[in-house]
Amino acid sequence: DADVTQTPRNRITKTGKRIMLECSQTKGHDRMYWYRQDPGLGLRLIYYSFDVKDINKGEISDGYSVSRQAQAKFSLSLESAIPNQTALYFCATGPGGEMFDNEQFFGPGTRLTVL
Amino acid sequence: GQSLEQPSEVTAVEGAIVQINCTYQTSGFYGLSWYQQHDGGAPTFLSYNGLDGLEETGRFSSFLSRSDSYGYLLLQELQMKDSASYFCAVGRGFNKFYFGSGTKLNVKP
Repeated sequence: DADVTQTPRNRITKTGKRIMLECSQTKGHDRMYWYRQDPGLGLRLIYYSFDVKDINKGEISDGYSVSRQAQAKFSLSLESAIPNQTALYFCATGPGGEMFDNEQFFGPGTRLTVL
Repeated sequence: GQSLEQPSEVTAVEGAIVQINCTYQTSGFYGLSWYQQHDGGAPTFLSYNGLDGLEETGRFSSFLSRSDSYGYLLLQELQMKDSASYFCAVGRGFNKFYFGSGTKLNVKP
């Protein structure tokens, strides 16, 4: 079984709709991250969480919100989806314990299309 | 702010050696990581340099020069399965990672 899972894997939605992307991990990691990937732009950090009570904004948090329901679950919400949020979204985890997670473990991604 | 520069595309033949460079400008630098991503797949970790010098992991090596704000990934004995995109990622404080835009490596027979 995969260590980091994301649901759904693909989603098509309409402008203005609320949508939630979910991430679960069985690695026992404290740190979890949400990234988006656009062609030619690499990965950009949306939000990250060091534990259940800790949520931090990344580079591009506007238009997004997150919830850390448990150590193993970290969800990303688009309150009112817009077309330029069409992208590939990745969840990742990091083991923590050190100042710096030099290795992150990525889920398979969710391809989101906003019409 | 921060910026990372890496070539957009590199082509090499099977069995050859290829070097993918990454230059960065950032504050609060902790280290440089490299990730591989096949088309349609998730990024997977390859290597990390926290200190200057060369790190070797099998056919892959990574180098960092903090004074030059420069690093590279070296892939030896290229195989067709190495065709993928390669990202450098700069680690800053509080586990903030900033990824380059990626280098697409094409390995030809």
